[in-house]
Amino acid sequence: KAGVTQTPRYLIKTRGQQVTLSCSPISGHRSVSWYQQTPGQGLQFLFEYFSETQRNKGNFPGRFSGRQFSNSRSEMNVSTLELGDSALYLCASSRDLGLAGVGETQYFGPGTRLLVL
Amino acid sequence: AQSVTQLGSHVSVSEGALVLLRCNYSSSVPPYLFWYVQYPNQGLQLLLKYTTGATLVKGINGFEAEFKKSETSFHLTKPSAHMSDAAEYFCAVSGGRGSTLGRLYFGRGTQLTVWP
Repeated sequence: KAGVTQTPRYLIKTRGQQVTLSCSPISGHRSVSWYQQTPGQGLQFLFEYFSETQRNKGNFPGRFSGRQFSNSRSEMNVSTLELGDSALYLCASSRDLGLAGVGETQYFGPGTRLLVL
Repeated sequence: AQSVTQLGSHVSVSEGALVLLRCNYSSSVPPYLFWYVQYPNQGLQLLLKYTTGATLVKGINGFEAEFKKSETSFHLTKPSAHMSDAAEYFCAVSGGRGSTLGRLYFGRGTQLTVWP
């Protein structure tokens, strides 16, 4: 079974631009979560989607948004990029068998490394 | 809210030595506990997971962890380190009172260096 895939793997943008990152979950997984990883802040939760609905959101500004499609694929968008948005963005998927994600194993993709100049 | 503390941001061991990476979590019942490993320029790979039942959990690559409720700990061990174990290790928790559903709460990570 194929793992979680993320595209693109690397991205360079300039301040003020916007960016869209894509995530394809493991087949059959219905929950997709996004995390931002930086050396200073570590792994921070962005949001989680299930059945095309955002179930939970972390403490990030409104410039960070996402969506999930009917095939469970997910995208996240960052508008008006700032230097501090440079990070590794990780997507994770889980099966979610009706327990709202409690205790579910999250399987991570390789990440998209975003550099904002 | 849930929280995780990993003691020691860097751990160095010699090849063949015992690996011990420490993790403590905030008290909540029931916790679901995870250890992930991250190699350079890669995502996170699940090493092992504790849900319920046996408190000693065996994972991949010879790693194991013991859940100790009284100490709110979930330390990761491996009897004999290998050069290929050099990576960053993350402890995480999900579920429990006050947590956000569908979210993993991660520690800050421990970078493991293995000397030949």
